[in-house]
Amino acid sequence: EAGVVQSPRYKIIEKKQPVAFWCNPISGHNTLYWYRQNLGQGPELLIRYENEEAVDDSQLPKDRFSAERLKGVDSTLKIQPAELGDSAVYLCASSPLAGSVEQYFGPGTRLTVT
Amino acid sequence: AQSVTQPDIHITVSEGASLELRCNYSYGATPYLFWYVQSPGQGLQLLLKYFSGDTLVQGIKGFEAEFKRSQSSFNLRKPSVHWSDAAEYFCAVGAEGNKLVFGAGTILRVKS
Repeated sequence: EAGVVQSPRYKIIEKKQPVAFWCNPISGHNTLYWYRQNLGQGPELLIRYENEEAVDDSQLPKDRFSAERLKGVDSTLKIQPAELGDSAVYLCASSPLAGSVEQYFGPGTRLTVT
Repeated sequence: AQSVTQPDIHITVSEGASLELRCNYSYGATPYLFWYVQSPGQGLQLLLKYFSGDTLVQGIKGFEAEFKRSQSSFNLRKPSVHWSDAAEYFCAVGAEGNKLVFGAGTILRVKS
């Protein structure tokens, strides 16, 4: 079974530029999460999807961050414009059951904003 | 609010020695608890989980963890560490909204 796929793995951009991250969850997993992991810290939830619906986006900085999950499978997380403080690893995870807290993580995208 | 504390930022053990990584959590109800491992440049891999039942849970790669409600702890153990175990380890608690709340992580170094 293929795991969670994320791309790109690394991204370097200048501040004020836009950037997008893509995630393909494990097949059949209807719940999808985006987390941000700052250096030296544990991941923190940005947004959770159940199928196409964003059911928890309370921690997503909506002035510059947006996300979508069309057709309830792949998801894209966008930052526009990026700031220096956005440098982090962005992790995507998926869960096999609605209401389950057990999650499987992708390799992440390491973003560096210069 | 739920929280997880991992008191040790770094731990160094000799190869073949035993390991214990500490984790304390704050959660009002019966917690769902997890340990993940992250190698450099990699995502998080689930080592083991506790939902209910036997308080000693076995995981992959020879790891085990014990849930102690009285101490609000979920410490990770391994009887004999291998050099390939060097990585960062994260304890997490399942919180409201099915999200995971993570500790800050413990970096394990293994010396030969």
